[in-house]
Amino acid sequence: SAVISQKPSRDICQRGTSLTIQCQVDSQVTMMFWYRQQPGQSLTLIATANQGSEATYESGFVIDKFPISRPNLTFSTLTVSNLSPEDSSIYLCSVRRGIGTDTQYFGPGTRLTVL
Amino acid sequence: AQKVTQAQTEISVVEKEDVTLDCVYETRDTTYYLFWYKQPPSGELVFLIRRNSFDEQNEISGRYSWNFQKSTSSFNFTITASQVVDSAVYFCALSEPSNSGYALNFGKGTSLLVTP
Repeated sequence: SAVISQKPSRDICQRGTSLTIQCQVDSQVTMMFWYRQQPGQSLTLIATANQGSEATYESGFVIDKFPISRPNLTFSTLTVSNLSPEDSSIYLCSVRRGIGTDTQYFGPGTRLTVL
Repeated sequence: AQKVTQAQTEISVVEKEDVTLDCVYETRDTTYYLFWYKQPPSGELVFLIRRNSFDEQNEISGRYSWNFQKSTSSFNFTITASQVVDSAVYFCALSEPSNSGYALNFGKGTSLLVTP
């Protein structure tokens, strides 16, 4: 398994500001992903964080709104920019050691509330 | 299009009853992986099982069992003798080759409530 930590665990932000979420893994992993879970909903993939290159975004998510960094194989950040109340969600970091065959593990999540 | 369908939105059972959570998936790939996760009220996602497309053997782990049938594209999850601690939202997920690198595609989840 993988031990994943996220900071902050929760935050309350004002409309128009930004929040950066950090994800740290206890060992090197090949794949890192960011998901969003809106209240009472399932998990939706935002993007795959690629080390040393631009993230791969899913349809409906853009880099200007959700810039992602991944400087190495154990760390990634997700920024949610220009916050609006619709961004209130849980944001989860997820990792996979390999590409296909491995289990995908999830961090504890960051609960964001936008006022 | 929804690739993973969990038709049961909510299920309520009394403790000690058996309950089956349904999962139907859609893919054109021959190599893919299926997962079940549990999300208790505390919010963390707990990995339960991973199954690859070439392994149709059913699996049992304690009170949990999984029935994988490629012919019907289903990967159902049964809890035997349910307990109050089983109350949670259960997600079925599909992992297949894509630009996202086998990222999980989740169903909408089934909320299970087990009452004493």
